[in-house]
Amino acid sequence: EVQLVESGGGLVQPGGSLRLSCATSGFTFRSYGMSWVRQAPGKGLEWVASILQDGNKKYYLDSVKGRFTISRDNAKNSLFLQMNSLSVEDTGLYYCARGSPNWGSDYWGQGILVTVSS
Amino acid sequence: SYELTQPPSVSVSPGQTASITCSGDKLGDTFACWYQQRPGQSPVLVLYQDNKRPSGIPDRFSGSNSGNTATLTISGTQTTDEADYYCQVWANNTVVFGGGTKVTVL
Repeated sequence: EVQLVESGGGLVQPGGSLRLSCATSGFTFRSYGMSWVRQAPGKGLEWVASILQDGNKKYYLDSVKGRFTISRDNAKNSLFLQMNSLSVEDTGLYYCARGSPNWGSDYWGQGILVTVSS
Repeated sequence: SYELTQPPSVSVSPGQTASITCSGDKLGDTFACWYQQRPGQSPVLVLYQDNKRPSGIPDRFSGSNSGNTATLTISGTQTTDEADYYCQVWANNTVVFGGGTKVTVL
């Protein structure tokens, strides 16, 4: 069974940092591209970043470029999102999702809440 | 930046057909996929590559993509299909989601 489990969220002040993790199991992690997608309370889905299988190609939403870094550890079947210089606009539920960005994401985690507030 | 436009809401009677559109410049030149998100749940991929259904998705979900419009069609709509639906494409090295359409079955 494919499983994606996010962790590392929480409450942080504006300007602060968080590192999200996504532990995966049930599939060959190194064979899949992975993405982070967020959803502000009561709003739609917003893509944040994607990384291809070997980790050499990374893509970002313009508003997070230079602040967020997506990475992966294929030996540990894990995906990460380092988030720096957080602003209130980054508040939302962050999902880890499996799949290359041009093909769609066929499995999603349950999401982890990130709240940026003073 | 590339934009996708969806109607905010669609209403349909049980057993009838619901059509949800997604509009974008030359959308038909690329593949679109669609997600269903029920309240309080994670998104579920219901169509990829315009009209392919992942394993476990009922065949009442179908899709098309031509010109500037992609369409998700739900035939024989059931109450369990009530959800938000999002289209998505890969454009200019970014993932773009439509704003979402709330489908109400009444």
